[in-house]
Amino acid sequence: SQQGEEDPQALSIQEGENATMNCSYKTSINNLQWYRQNSGRGLVHLILIRSNEREKHSGRLRVTLDTSKKSSSLLITASRAADTASYFCATFFKAAGNKLTFGGGTRVLVKP
Amino acid sequence: EAQVTQNPRYLITVTGKKLTVTCSQNMNHEYMSWYRQDPGLGLRQIYYSMNVEVTDKGDVPEGYKVSRKEKRNFPLILESPSPNQTSLYFCASSPGQGASGANVLTFGAGSRLTVL
Repeated sequence: SQQGEEDPQALSIQEGENATMNCSYKTSINNLQWYRQNSGRGLVHLILIRSNEREKHSGRLRVTLDTSKKSSSLLITASRAADTASYFCATFFKAAGNKLTFGGGTRVLVKP
Repeated sequence: EAQVTQNPRYLITVTGKKLTVTCSQNMNHEYMSWYRQDPGLGLRQIYYSMNVEVTDKGDVPEGYKVSRKEKRNFPLILESPSPNQTSLYFCASSPGQGASGANVLTFGAGSRLTVL
């Protein structure tokens, strides 16, 4: 079953704009991760935020985590056409088994 | 180059014809896992392995088998494929418990399977 639910399911923006997507989850977590998938290819890890962290940055990526609301957001600033992809959040909770549980993803289209 | 390699990348087969999708990683990772991806359902875990000779069911194990005889290899076996196993399959690995980045997955490129 899906742990994370991404919102929106799809997003279309112009190059240079910011893209924001959200992830909600249901149980406790040890960490939350974001992955990118280009057009049916393998997923690529972007960033990990631990349950005791509230915000993390990596290049043009900014991730926030609110454990009280069981939600996370991924912000991509100054988007580029190459950012066109699907983005997935995944939660890890050690007590629930050593696995990542993925959400359904947000499809992002960045128009040149 | 550190990678997870899956084969075949594309396969069309018929109902009931046994097939194996191979997965190999060159990063000395302890943990390996298989996922399937279907439209509207996201990625669902089929099986995972914490180490050699240790495997366990994920969320959708029915109709699949795995083995972990060597650390680097984790093949997915469909003994009698059915059309509902038509999907995009991903193998992934991570360093394992206690290691830095223990549960950050490295994915293979995917295997698109069609069962007629």
